Amino acid sequence: NAGVTQTPKFRILKIGQSMTLQCTQDMNHNYMYWYRQDPGMGLKLIYYSVGAGITDKGEVPNGYNVSRSTTEDFPLRLELAAPSQTSVYFCASIHRGGQSPNTEAFFGQGTRLTVV
Amino acid sequence: AQKVTQAQTEISVVEKEDVTLDCVYETRDTTYYLFWYKQPPSGELVFLIRRNSFDEQNEISGRYSWNFQKSTSSFNFTITASQVVDSAVYFCALSGGGKLIFGQGTELSVKP
Repeated sequence: NAGVTQTPKFRILKIGQSMTLQCTQDMNHNYMYWYRQDPGMGLKLIYYSVGAGITDKGEVPNGYNVSRSTTEDFPLRLELAAPSQTSVYFCASIHRGGQSPNTEAFFGQGTRLTVV
Repeated sequence: AQKVTQAQTEISVVEKEDVTLDCVYETRDTTYYLFWYKQPPSGELVFLIRRNSFDEQNEISGRYSWNFQKSTSSFNFTITASQVVDSAVYFCALSGGGKLIFGQGTELSVKP
């Protein structure tokens, strides 16, 4: 199992450009999350999903969009990138409910994004 | 609304000292989960423990121990006989409903 895979690992964007951060998990988890972590700060929840076709806003959703068309994939879209979106982005997944809920949330390795 | 507060931004100790990291949470959910994660300088997130809201037993794992008290909405983490390798940022997190919310983290520096 690959776990949670994020691509790309690094990216530099110019102001006003758009991009999609990819997140894929192969563990059949129902819950997935996107976070941003600014230097020296904690993880802020951007969006989350409790299953395919269902997404909801977290603490800091402005400037971002998500979709969850499959269980495996949870892409994060940045439209009109701004310097304030310079951050490290983490994707996470966990299986909740059912007969074998997870003990922990599994995290990807992160995407370091710089907007200049 | 859910909230996790880690009031200690930075802690510095000398090796072999014991250190406690505080975590206070707020939630209206009756069923929820609490987590601790470690983030070493390399940046990845390392899972340490999960506790269910209906299980207030304290837990010990080697030099690590956790004290969960629903009455004070706290889930504190103690490292006994700290080591330099314990230097990292530690996050407390709360999961209730669909969200998983993190505190702002405590940076622990263990000096030799």
